[in-house]
Amino acid sequence: DTAVSQTPKYLVTQMGNDKSIKCEQNLGHDTMYWYKQDSKKFLKIMFSYNNKELIINETVPNRFSPKSPDKAHLNLHINSLELGDSAVYFCASSHTFTNQPQHFGDGTRLSIL
Amino acid sequence: AQTVTQSQPEMSVQEAETVTLSCTYDTSENNYYLFWYKQPPSRQMILVIRQEAYKQQNATENRFSVNFQKAAKSFSLKISDSQLGDTAMYFCAFMMRGYSTLTFGKGTMLLVSP
Repeated sequence: DTAVSQTPKYLVTQMGNDKSIKCEQNLGHDTMYWYKQDSKKFLKIMFSYNNKELIINETVPNRFSPKSPDKAHLNLHINSLELGDSAVYFCASSHTFTNQPQHFGDGTRLSIL
Repeated sequence: AQTVTQSQPEMSVQEAETVTLSCTYDTSENNYYLFWYKQPPSRQMILVIRQEAYKQQNATENRFSVNFQKAAKSFSLKISDSQLGDTAMYFCAFMMRGYSTLTFGKGTMLLVSP
């Protein structure tokens, strides 16, 4: 009965590789997000999608490409991974785009060797 | 741009005691929402409490309550009867009305000891 689920929970890979993180929500929400939490635990918005359309892109390098095949899924693909991409990535969703609290997944810890 | 400041990187409290976590924010907006999220060692992000800026009454959720001072732009979280399971990182977050993007503070690590 998980509300927002991300896979994988852990991802260890080498610099230069391409990897994807998947996110699914079963809450019937319209809006989904990706956040990055750095090594100092600071959380920052990366992307926001509403009904499969990109709403927010917070100056994230274009090596990061989100894809939303339907409003229940928002996947994150990262090309040419760099050491600085090591972080925990959180997916979240909210009922609508405005004025709603967000429900978070359990995070994906990405480690670049 | 909005900023959220949590001035206490770490706090400790004993079980059953009360603790208050501080949060201040900076905005020129009049309508917004404030949140406290909890992140235990399991890494989940759990919504603790939410406050709407246009409501003067402080939000409460069981042992958790806030002291919202709009003029001072302060939004502190009080945890009563602290429990071991309250040990976690606590994040204060801001959201402008009409938007859904959260701006987070840097967090306060709360350790509850027996």
